[in-house]
Amino acid sequence: GNSVTQMEGPVTLSEEAFLTINCTYTATGYPSLFWYVQYPGEGLQLLLKATKADDKGSNKGFEATYRKETTSFHLEKGSVQVSDSAVYFCALKGSSNTGKLIFGQGTTLQVKP
Amino acid sequence: GAVVSQHPSRVICKSGTSVKIECRSLDFQATTMFWYRQFPKQSLMLMATSNEGSKATYEQGVEKDKFLINHASLTLSTLTVTSAHPEDSSFYICSARAPGAGREKLFFGSGTQLSVL
Repeated sequence: GNSVTQMEGPVTLSEEAFLTINCTYTATGYPSLFWYVQYPGEGLQLLLKATKADDKGSNKGFEATYRKETTSFHLEKGSVQVSDSAVYFCALKGSSNTGKLIFGQGTTLQVKP
Repeated sequence: GAVVSQHPSRVICKSGTSVKIECRSLDFQATTMFWYRQFPKQSLMLMATSNEGSKATYEQGVEKDKFLINHASLTLSTLTVTSAHPEDSSFYICSARAPGAGREKLFFGSGTQLSVL
């Protein structure tokens, strides 16, 4: 079945450091891939998405490229801020249009000033 | 943007009691809502899909008699954990699909941390 694996956290970085959070997936067909972010005390929010191979999703300085050859969707940001501290979830939606998302376990990012 | 309100955010209950969690879409009508649970350091696992006016569709391994889902209106879905036991302690989160906003437009509540003593 479909699955998503994220790197374990927590990830602790200093402000302005480069961020990578790894995400790999297993799926049949052509899934859509997502990154969600959950700030403290809030619900998950869609950060970015990619719907086909080689697509790059980007938002708020974050980027992720849908790599079918490596079944990956790693999240990157060139210079993190304290306000980026949150839990990040990688997710996929299978080819069928049911709206169901398969999530990774989440990676906590803590950015220190 | 669309907002989904989930209540309560945290609940502690005694073993054997029932707990109800509410999920409301505040500024849109959600024909479909999803319920997830998350154990520490594990993925969010889909429990069930809730469609307004019809029975929920449960994922394999989820006890429908234990986790009662009611989607009585287009803005409210409830999850009731019946006869809760310590192993039901988990983080429960709902999401609602906004119609007409694209198939990937899902909005999440802030989650409910359930602790069963």
